[in-house]
Amino acid sequence: DIVMTQSPDSLAVSLGERATLNCKSSQSVLYSTNNENYLAWYQQKPGQPPKLLIKWASTRESGVPDRFRGSGSGTDFTLTISSLQAEDVAAYYCQQYYNFPFTFGPGTKVDLK
Amino acid sequence: QLQLQESGPGLVKPSETLSLICSVSGGSVTSSRYYWGWIRQPPGKGLEWIGSIYYSGSTFYNPSLESRVTISLDTSKNQFSLKLNSVTAADTAVYYCARPVAGSLNGGGGYFDYWGQGALVTVSS
Repeated sequence: DIVMTQSPDSLAVSLGERATLNCKSSQSVLYSTNNENYLAWYQQKPGQPPKLLIKWASTRESGVPDRFRGSGSGTDFTLTISSLQAEDVAAYYCQQYYNFPFTFGPGTKVDLK
Repeated sequence: QLQLQESGPGLVKPSETLSLICSVSGGSVTSSRYYWGWIRQPPGKGLEWIGSIYYSGSTFYNPSLESRVTISLDTSKNQFSLKLNSVTAADTAVYYCARPVAGSLNGGGGYFDYWGQGALVTVSS
């Protein structure tokens, strides 16, 4: 199985400041034939299901604000929230879909400072 | 707009079978573009993919659960279902049905673009 790790476990960011979340996979999720990274990011607020933010490591899902940016390739990925808003307080998970079993990272909790 | 809704018992006794149904509206489970899947989340913990099913009936299961899991389609009702047998307290979780978009290199789906609201299932005597 591909093991996903995330750092930090939690972080507190002031309104309007940048949040940087990291995700690492135990093996590359980059498929060289199509140069795509099989990596997604989700946001989960308490009591709600996860919401897809980013697919293919850097493609924002329709309707997701452009302050959310996914980057990285191979085994190391980053989700950046450029200017944190109050509604961004949530847990964020990365997921690989390069191979099944599809696996998720343990999550990063983002709070307001 | 696609909507998914889980239903089933909220309490299951140890050693018995957990059964959940996901009702799909706004789309068809027979679409060849998509799989249909189940994911669970123990209280306060992370997400675990359980398995997926394709419109053809092909199934893909997490090896950690494969011996206990069955996912099936009911095209007449536009539903798919999850059965997990021989449950223990470790199976207590919120169970989500979701739609994995086809994309994985070896089948089973990919990223999950639509999710149900989730159903809490507690395993307890």
